[in-house]
Amino acid sequence: DAGITQSPRYKITETGRQVTLMCHQTWSHSYMFWYRQDLGHGLRLIYYSAAADITDKGEVPDGYVVSRSKTENFPLTLESATRSQTSVYFCASSESEAGASTDTQYFGPGTRLTVL
Amino acid sequence: AQSVTQLDSQVPVFEEAPVELRCNYSSSVSVYLFWYVQYPNQGLQLLLKYLSGSTLVESINGFEAEFNKSQTSFHLRKPSVHISDTAEYFCAVRRQGAQKLVFGQGTRLTINP
Repeated sequence: DAGITQSPRYKITETGRQVTLMCHQTWSHSYMFWYRQDLGHGLRLIYYSAAADITDKGEVPDGYVVSRSKTENFPLTLESATRSQTSVYFCASSESEAGASTDTQYFGPGTRLTVL
Repeated sequence: AQSVTQLDSQVPVFEEAPVELRCNYSSSVSVYLFWYVQYPNQGLQLLLKYLSGSTLVESINGFEAEFNKSQTSFHLRKPSVHISDTAEYFCAVRRQGAQKLVFGQGTRLTINP
């Protein structure tokens, strides 16, 4: 049971380049989330998705793009990377039934992104 | 909107000593409360959660947290810590009926032998 995976685990890129972080879950969870983790800020929500083809902004969406053509995948794209986007990125998923919000969010192992 | 404040960014304790990690939240509506743990170089794992019922919730590895509505707190405690408890701990809230979690800044727990 693979659960939730992220790739790559480590990425170094240059300012201005486009980079895509991948997230894949095997549970068929309806909800998926992208967070960034920065010292002193905890985790902040970038984007989330309630189902395939349904996405919404979180707390810090600027500079990021997401898509969800399949339930199991939720890629995060930095269209033109900036140094301020150097961070650790976590993907998470949760199951939801009829709007219930008691579900646990399950996190991937994270992607450490460095923008030079 | 909801917010979470973890009052200590770092907590050093000796092995087998008790520990309390403090968490206060702010919300105008009812919320669910969570503690997540992040071991070095890993993702976050759910430690325990309060949804309803008894205000004292426990985890399988000896942690407990008590929901205090009047003080809007959800402090995490363990009576005797082990080296393996070294990790970063995050308190989080979620508005009832919503899916988005709001996290605190995290508390790094360091256990000294």
